[in-house]
Amino acid sequence: EDKVVQSPLSLVVHEGDTVTLNCSYEVTNFRSLLWYKQEKKAPTFLFMLTSSGIEKKSGRLSSILDKKELFSILNITATQTGDSAVYLCAVPNAGGTSYGKLTFGQGTILTVHP
Amino acid sequence: DSGVTQTPKHLITATGQRVTLRCSPRSGDLSVYWYQQSLDQGLQFLIQYYNGEERAKGNILERFSAQQFPDLHSELNLSSLELGDSALYFCASSVDTSGYGYTFGSGTRLTVV
Repeated sequence: EDKVVQSPLSLVVHEGDTVTLNCSYEVTNFRSLLWYKQEKKAPTFLFMLTSSGIEKKSGRLSSILDKKELFSILNITATQTGDSAVYLCAVPNAGGTSYGKLTFGQGTILTVHP
Repeated sequence: DSGVTQTPKHLITATGQRVTLRCSPRSGDLSVYWYQQSLDQGLQFLIQYYNGEERAKGNILERFSAQQFPDLHSELNLSSLELGDSALYFCASSVDTSGYGYTFGSGTRLTVV
């Protein structure tokens, strides 16, 4: 069964700090890894990573995948209070009858204080 | 607005009761997924439908059932409710079964008292 583990489970920082969120995975037939941001409601898509070593970047957020060591990191630089959210890592099932199902990690709760 | 519509947004009901959660997928999406999010379990996959047919089942209790109708909307039925069923229930849709291009609805918060 696919497994996704995130760390830390929670993080409290001050505005301007840089944070690194971790996601490790054990999946059969790996295709991609997804990062989502969840504020009060639905998870919203951040990044999809398929290739090892290639950084995806969007503003102050960036993410990279290491397929050899089976992990990904999400970096947020110059954090703002609006970055406070739960950050979720997920992998899609790539085979069998559960094709398309996402397996999520427990999430990292990020709190940014002014 | 993500394009995936879930109703109701909030639901409070008593133990032993039955409720129905509804989901209308984004226009053009044929695949619908249901997830349960509770504080201790995180986001857990329940069931997937594609164009009216059940495609995959996750950790869905026997008290729970779902279906996808010809107009592609889906309903999740929860019966004999227990306190532990209190959670956020999300519906997501995608154009196919690949898992890419997921769009989540805003969820239904179910409270069982």
